[in-house]
Amino acid sequence: EDQVTQSPEALRLQEGESSSLNCSYTVSGLRGLFWYRQDPGKGPEFLFTLYSAGEEKEKERLKATLTKKESFLHITAPKPEDSATYLCAVRSGGGADGLTFGKGTHLIIQP
Amino acid sequence: GAGVSQTPSNKVTEKGKYVELRCDPISGHTALYWYRQSLGQGPEFLIYFQGTGAADDSGLPNDRFFAVRPEGSVSTLKIQRTERGDSAVYLCASSQAGYNEQFFGPGTRLTVL
Repeated sequence: EDQVTQSPEALRLQEGESSSLNCSYTVSGLRGLFWYRQDPGKGPEFLFTLYSAGEEKEKERLKATLTKKESFLHITAPKPEDSATYLCAVRSGGGADGLTFGKGTHLIIQP
Repeated sequence: GAGVSQTPSNKVTEKGKYVELRCDPISGHTALYWYRQSLGQGPEFLIYFQGTGAADDSGLPNDRFFAVRPEGSVSTLKIQRTERGDSAVYLCASSQAGYNEQFFGPGTRLTVL
């Protein structure tokens, strides 16, 4: 059974204070690891897809990296508007065709 | 272009009633997914359509849940004999053929009293 564990559950940072969110996964044949951002009362917003260990993707202040067991979402010099819940999900080669999500990391950036 | 749309945005019903939730995917997206998200949890997969057929319904919790996509575009999630435990946000997502990325709608918040 595919499993995704995200840590920490919640993180409070000062504006400009860089940090990383962790996503550990167990999957039968990885077909993609996904990062989404979710604002309160809204659907998840797609950020990145990673497919193989060593791959990195960047978008503005965010950079996602992937190893064989985990992914990190690095946030550099965050701003208050980066406050949201960040969700990690995997798609596997076995089992259901849908994504398996973690519970998310609730990130708060204080001005 | 327009994103995934879902109606209604909120639905309040009584235990035992029947509800229908609608999803209109991004134009041209052949794959459509339904998820359920409870408070403080990540979305949980329910069912996946490729075109008109349900390619994978392994996430449907029981036979009270059913979904259709008769013309390969709009989909309806149907819940019979609703229970209080069905209260959640129901999310719909779509993706293009051959692409992994799923794009989500805003969700329908279902409350069963």
